[in-house]
Amino acid sequence: AQSVTQLDSQVPVFEEAPVELRCNYSSSVSVYLFWYVQYPNQGLQLLLKYLSGSTLVESINGFEAEFNKSQTSFHLRKPSVHISDTAEYFCAVMKPGGYQKVTFGTGTKLQVIP
Amino acid sequence: ETGVTQSPTHLIKTRGQQVTLRCSSQSGHNTVSWYQQALGQGPQFIFQYYREEENGRGNFPPRFSGLQFPNYSSELNVNALELDDSALYLCASSSGTLPNEQFFGPGTRLTVL
Repeated sequence: AQSVTQLDSQVPVFEEAPVELRCNYSSSVSVYLFWYVQYPNQGLQLLLKYLSGSTLVESINGFEAEFNKSQTSFHLRKPSVHISDTAEYFCAVMKPGGYQKVTFGTGTKLQVIP
Repeated sequence: ETGVTQSPTHLIKTRGQQVTLRCSSQSGHNTVSWYQQALGQGPQFIFQYYREEENGRGNFPPRFSGLQFPNYSSELNVNALELDDSALYLCASSSGTLPNEQFFGPGTRLTVL
């Protein structure tokens, strides 16, 4: 079975400062890794994903995440946050093959302070 | 191309009642997954339907059941509602040819009193 740990439940950060949201996973097999974002009163939106290949993946709005197999981590970073980045971020894993069950972490609330 | 839609948006029920939630998958998607997101928690996988058959289930009791129709829309049914069933219920659709990405609907907020 797979599991995901998001170490920080809330992360306050000033606008234009850098941020890192931490994610560690546990799995006995290779997995796909995802970051989803959830704005207030909305569903989840895929931010970025790692399937294979380059360990550094980027989103269109400036976020990036790096897959580290030895540390079983997939931390999310952004060099300069905006007020509009205030949301809850979920790290997730899925085992390739079989049915497409996604296992989510408990989420990290990013609060960008003006 | 329309995205994933869910109805109703909000719902209030009392303990012991039954509820049906609906989901329309994104065009071209044949797989639908349902998740329960309790307040302050991450989504928990309930089950998944692929071409009208349940092909995976999480740790939810049998009173949680579902259907998928020939047009790939889906229903989630919950019988004998309990207070702990209060949550946001999310539907996600995906394509059998692209198993790695699920597209989520806005969810149905269920409150059980």
